[in-house]
Amino acid sequence: AQSVTQLGSHVSVSEGALVLLRCNYSSSVPPYLFWYVQYPNQGLQLLLKYTTGATLVKGINGFEAEFKKSETSFHLTKPSAHMSDAAEYFCAVENSGGSNYKLTFGKGTLLTVNP
Amino acid sequence: NAGVTQTPKFQVLKTGQSMTLQCAQDMNHNSMYWYRQDPGMGLRLIYYSASEGTTDKGEVPNGYNVSRLNKREFSLRLESAAPSQTSVYFCASRDRGLGYTFGSGTRLTVV
Repeated sequence: AQSVTQLGSHVSVSEGALVLLRCNYSSSVPPYLFWYVQYPNQGLQLLLKYTTGATLVKGINGFEAEFKKSETSFHLTKPSAHMSDAAEYFCAVENSGGSNYKLTFGKGTLLTVNP
Repeated sequence: NAGVTQTPKFQVLKTGQSMTLQCAQDMNHNSMYWYRQDPGMGLRLIYYSASEGTTDKGEVPNGYNVSRLNKREFSLRLESAAPSQTSVYFCASRDRGLGYTFGSGTRLTVV
């Protein structure tokens, strides 16, 4: 079964600093990869997804992620953190077995942005 | 508005009580899912339904049952609630373009 590892359960950055949230996956075939954000007491919002094609994927709110097959990674970055980016971020991989598609999530990274 | 609707939003149960969490989507999606979210554990799949009339176990199915009532509705039942089932439950559906839509969640406390 595919799995997702998010390195760092809690990342703290200063406002204006680079945001880097790490995600590694295990998969025997090229996967579909996702990043979701969850603000306090809310549901999940899709930031971006990689399916095929360009390995650098741009998402909402200035975030982007790069699919690196050789490193089995899909790290999320943002050049300059805003206070409003404080949230929990989840990396996910889609497993597929025939037509049985399902998402497997990492354990999440809580991002704190300091003024 | 189109989307995934979950009811109730909050629920407190006593140990041993039963309840059903309701989920409905109006996007004509084939696949629907139930996840639970616990601190430090991410979201874990309980059950899913690839299409109307089919259901399959996910990673943590023990203590739960599901019903895919029709294409729109996918319910999750706790027959005898336990404190370990205290969690936030999310329903989701998937479209053919790899889009997953999540509901706003049900916060369940079992005392």
